[in-house]
Amino acid sequence: NAGVTQTPKFQVLKTGQSMTLQCAQDMNHNSMYWYRQDPGMGLRLIYYSASEGTTDKGEVPNGYNVSRLNKREFSLRLESAAPSQTSVYFCASSWTGGNIQYFGAGTRLSVL
Amino acid sequence: EDQVTQSPEALRLQEGESSSLNCSYTVSGLRGLFWYRQDPGKGPEFLFTLYSAGEEKEKERLKATLTKKESFLHITAPKPEDSATYLCAVQAGETSGSRLTFGEGTQLTVNP
Repeated sequence: NAGVTQTPKFQVLKTGQSMTLQCAQDMNHNSMYWYRQDPGMGLRLIYYSASEGTTDKGEVPNGYNVSRLNKREFSLRLESAAPSQTSVYFCASSWTGGNIQYFGAGTRLSVL
Repeated sequence: EDQVTQSPEALRLQEGESSSLNCSYTVSGLRGLFWYRQDPGKGPEFLFTLYSAGEEKEKERLKATLTKKESFLHITAPKPEDSATYLCAVQAGETSGSRLTFGEGTQLTVNP
């Protein structure tokens, strides 16, 4: 039972490069989320998808785009990476309105 | 704006030394308060959800309580394996869906 799977686990980018972080869940959840975690800042919501076909901005959406590819998959894209986007990124999923969010293991991203 | 403040930032205990972690919150219409545990290099793992003042939940050496302004995570006779960062989060309002607002966490170290 894999739960929430994130790829890659680690990534180093140069400023201006682009990349896509992948997330897939096998719990048949309707809602999916992307967070970033920085020291002293806690987990902050970037984007979320309440259900397949919908996406909404969270607290810190600038510099990111998302795609809800299907019910299982929710990707996060950095079009032009900046050093300020160096962080640990977590994907999570939940039942719609179901409160409990289940998290993946994270992607550790460094932008040089 | 929803706010969550956790204290202390870090706590060192000796094995068997009981203590409490605090989570203070300011929200408009609390729908739920969540406690998560996060081990180094891993994603947050769900522990408890509390919905109304006076509610209590227990799991092994952990007990979570809720008032109208704060929540406590009591740790009784902790063991070294309880060492982790404990995160508090709130879900609030009718329009926020399943969105969570996290505190910065308390890093707990239990020495043998």
